[in-house]
Amino acid sequence: GAVVSQHPSWVICKSGTSVKIECRSLDFQATTMFWYRQFPKQSLMLMATSNEGSKATYEQGVEKDKFLINHASLTLSTLTVTSAHPEDSSFYICSARGVGEAFFGQGTRLTVV
Amino acid sequence: SQQGEEDPQALSIQEGENATMNCSYKTSINNLQWYRQNSGRGLVHLILIRSNEREKHSGRLRVTLDTSKKSSSLLITASRAADTASYFCATDAGGNQFYFGTGTSLTVIP
Repeated sequence: GAVVSQHPSWVICKSGTSVKIECRSLDFQATTMFWYRQFPKQSLMLMATSNEGSKATYEQGVEKDKFLINHASLTLSTLTVTSAHPEDSSFYICSARGVGEAFFGQGTRLTVV
Repeated sequence: SQQGEEDPQALSIQEGENATMNCSYKTSINNLQWYRQNSGRGLVHLILIRSNEREKHSGRLRVTLDTSKKSSSLLITASRAADTASYFCATDAGGNQFYFGTGTSLTVIP
């Protein structure tokens, strides 16, 4: 199946700094990318949906100024957690859709200290 | 948003036994995927079954799909301790709809 790669797989940052997570579709063009967040022992919660070249659509309760999403190309979307706080520590996962199916990346574990 | 519901939420079996997990969903789908997640680790794609398929095999994995009942099952045969993980179904309805289930936590006791 298609491969969706996230980078980094884990990151530790200081409170107040910003962190960028990349999501790449390796062998297909992703017209739509999704960003999810997973709290401990829970399922994934959709944060936002982005289409290449347009603004992301955020789910209710997700702060768009806090979680900046850029889908600048058909193979790359980025999620930037701005002014990170310990409560932003979580597992962030992207998924990407091309012409056919959508697939999940492996995820990024963010720890804010 | 979620539309997939897995059951059971937790399953504990002895090594060598078979493990069956179920996933139910609400809307029509194009395909359904199963993923595994080891504790604190990333997702691993296991298998994809399309809406026009009824059964699919991959190694010790067997997936069935019943679109009339809007349900799928994942069977792991001859389980191993290394199969201990959480298992999620993801339903793809096309467009901007791609939902993740609540997960089944599987423990395989050596």
